[in-house]
Amino acid sequence: AQSVTQPDIHITVSEGASLELRCNYSYGATPYLFWYVQSPGQGLQLLLKYFSGDTLVQGIKGFEAEFKRSQSSFNLRKPSVHWSDAAEYFCAVERVAGGGNKLTFGTGTQLKVEL
Amino acid sequence: GAVVSQHPSWVICKSGTSVKIECRSLDFQATTMFWYRQFPKQSLMLMATSNEGSKATYEQGVEKDKFLINHASLTLSTLTVTSAHPEDSSFYICSARVLPASGLSQETQYFGPGTRLLVL
Repeated sequence: AQSVTQPDIHITVSEGASLELRCNYSYGATPYLFWYVQSPGQGLQLLLKYFSGDTLVQGIKGFEAEFKRSQSSFNLRKPSVHWSDAAEYFCAVERVAGGGNKLTFGTGTQLKVEL
Repeated sequence: GAVVSQHPSWVICKSGTSVKIECRSLDFQATTMFWYRQFPKQSLMLMATSNEGSKATYEQGVEKDKFLINHASLTLSTLTVTSAHPEDSSFYICSARVLPASGLSQETQYFGPGTRLLVL
């Protein structure tokens, strides 16, 4: 069965510092991987996605993620965090299921940015 | 583009009443919509997959008679929580799948802002 693990429940970084959010997945086939961000009171916004090709994926808001098949990881990175990046971040894997492809989400990482 | 709206954004109701939540794709057609439930500080759990013109597919453990889903058009899906009880209080989120115009097999789900339900 597919699963997504986000080992860090909370992360605190200083504004301007670099950021890496970890995501590990378990899936039998080639995964489709996603990172979403959820701000308080708002819906999930897609940051980036990986389907195939270049393993380093660029997303919006200066985020990037690298797919490493050997480590079953898809970590999200940002070189310099802004205070507005404080939010909940979810990693997800798309699985093929009856009725169409479906997303399985990790438990999320809450990012706090210190000024 | 690819905006999904939900109405209402929040609702408070008495125990035993039914509540309907609407999910609309505003600038695209969505053959498939998804309904999720999110408890505080937890992840999104898929409840059901809604395909236009057909019956919804429910995830294991989700009561189909409790959570009625209708996908009457390519831009609207509704979730009705019937005979709501306090344990149904949660954040309900819908998403719609966009099929890229290029015809590629990759798909992306776009999420609505969510509906917070509080059952008293």
